[in-house]
This record gives sequence, structure tokens and C-alpha cells, in this order.
Amino acid sequence: ELKVEQNPLFLSMQEGKNYTIYCNYSTTSDRLYWYRQDPGKSLESLFVLLSNGAVKQEGRLMASLDTKARLSTLHITAAVHDLSATYFCAVENSNYQLIWGAGTKLIIKP
Amino acid sequence: DSGVTQTPKHLITATGQRVTLRCSPRSGDLSVYWYQQSLDQGLQFLIQYYNGEERAKGNILERFSAQQFPDLHSELNLSSLELGDSALYFCASSVDGTGIFYTFGSGTRLTVV
Repeated sequence: ELKVEQNPLFLSMQEGKNYTIYCNYSTTSDRLYWYRQDPGKSLESLFVLLSNGAVKQEGRLMASLDTKARLSTLHITAAVHDLSATYFCAVENSNYQLIWGAGTKLIIKP
Repeated sequence: DSGVTQTPKHLITATGQRVTLRCSPRSGDLSVYWYQQSLDQGLQFLIQYYNGEERAKGNILERFSAQQFPDLHSELNLSSLELGDSALYFCASSVDGTGIFYTFGSGTRLTVV
């Protein structure tokens, strides 16, 4: 059974700092997704990573995937307050279902 | 607007009652997924339909059922509601049944009192 672990679950950081959120998963998969959720809102797709070594960047966020290590990272560069949200990784299993991490609540303080 | 429409946005009901949540997928999408997001369980996959047929089941309780109609909209029926069923219920759609082109609706917040 595919399990997905994210860490940290909570992250409070200062504006301008860099940090990384980690997503580990337990069985083979080549598809991993990062989503953002603001409080009480829907899930917004950030990145779709479809192969080993995939790296995608959008603004201050960069995501990468290492399928051999079963690890994805979401790196935040020079954080700004607007990036405060909860970030989820989700891994697609063999039945095309998304199995979700618990989410990382990110608070960025001025 | 993601193109996936969920109604109602909010629902408050009493224990023991039955409710129906509705989802209209994005135009052209054949697959509909239902997810439950609760504080204690996180995001959980409930059920998937593809072009009217049930394709996969996740952690869906026997008190819950769903269907996808010929026009591709889907309904999630929750019965004999318990306090623990209070959650945000999301619908997502995709064109081909994979997660690559997932689009989520805005969700229905169900509160059972």
C-alpha cells in the first residue's frame, strides 16, 4: 500500500529565507504532484512531476523528483508572505488515484 | 473558476440525515473523483467514476454512495450522517482518468450537528 509522508508538518519562517519541504513515498511511482491550499479554499495545482530527475520552477517555488529515492522536494526561495498556505504532495498509485501527504502548513512572517 | 462546479458550497444538517452533493466536471472531462478532507484523516480518496462507470473505490463508507450520470455530472450521497462525517468534500475531474490533468472544484463544506 502506497504511503506518503511529508515533513515538516508545520513551518514558520521569516520573509527572505529559504526552506525545503520533503515528501517521501513508500512504493514505486513516477507521478508526483504538489498542490497549494489556502484556508477554506480549494486545491490549486502547483507542479506535476512525471519522471525521475524532473525539476520544475515557478517563481520562488521549485520542485524536484527522485523516483529512485522515492523523494520529492519543494524548495522555497526568499519567501514572501503571499506564500503562506498549506502545501500538499500527492503520489499517483497504479490505479491512478492520488495518495496524499498530511500537508505542510507554512507561515511566513514579515 | 476551475471549470469543476460543486454544489452546494455549504451544508449544515443533523445527525441521521441524508444529503446529496453534486459535481459537474470540467467540459470534456470523463472522469470524476470524490475526496474527503477532514482534520483528523486529512485528504482521502473516496471513489472514482469514468464515463459513467465506477472505476475505483477508496476509503468510502458503506453509508456513502455515488454515481455518475449520462451527462457526466456526479452525485455523492451521504446517509445516516454522523458528527464525524463533517468535512470538506472535493470533487475533481480529469479527461482521461489519470491525475495529470486533475482539476479540483471548490468543495462542499458539510457540517453535521
